[in-house]
Amino acid sequence: DIVMTQTPLSLSVAPGQPASISCQSSESLRDRDGKTYLFWYMQKPGQSPQVLIYEVSTRFSGMPDRFIGSGSETDFKLTISRVEAEDVGVYYCMQSKLVPYTFGQGTKLEIK
Amino acid sequence: QVHLQESGLGLVKPSETLSLNCAVSGDSISKGHWWGWLRQPPGKWPQWIAEIYHSGSPIYNPSLKSRATISVDTSKNQISLTLTSVTAADTAVYYCARMALDFTAFDIWGQGTLVTVSS
Repeated sequence: DIVMTQTPLSLSVAPGQPASISCQSSESLRDRDGKTYLFWYMQKPGQSPQVLIYEVSTRFSGMPDRFIGSGSETDFKLTISRVEAEDVGVYYCMQSKLVPYTFGQGTKLEIK
Repeated sequence: QVHLQESGLGLVKPSETLSLNCAVSGDSISKGHWWGWLRQPPGKWPQWIAEIYHSGSPIYNPSLKSRATISVDTSKNQISLTLTSVTAADTAVYYCARMALDFTAFDIWGQGTLVTVSS
């Protein structure tokens, strides 16, 4: 299985400040079709996960532009340019290059 | 608006079978999406269980394949999951979800249903 490792596991950020979450995969997520199968999810307290970013850097419909995905091959990053109170929750990276799809352990974002 | 609603028993005894249904509204499961099940143990990250296309062709997480069965009922517009020989390690919130058409990830999730395995 592809192992997804996130850092840090928790983050406390003041409103208006940036936040950054890293995700490393145990093998390259770039496939022969040229796509990179790395996704970011956000899970707000008491809710189901919702997709934020797909294929490394494309924001899902309706997601604010303060969420920015970057990276390649095995190293990826989710940046929130200016954290807002509504961003509280747990963020997961996920790969779907190979079955079984696997998630990172999650990064819990709190607001100072 | 697409809505997924999971249902099933919330308490299952060890060694018995877990059975869940997912009713889909606002979309037809025959339309072209893949549909899947995931679970999330308390305080942990999600785990992908299986997915299926409306015409069949299920794909399973190898760690669960021998115990899990995913199926689709187009007449009821629902998908189902059974998991046999459950143990306490199967205690989790179980989600059904729709795979996006434009990318290989789940874009719509149900609210989830907690299943506890305990005697």
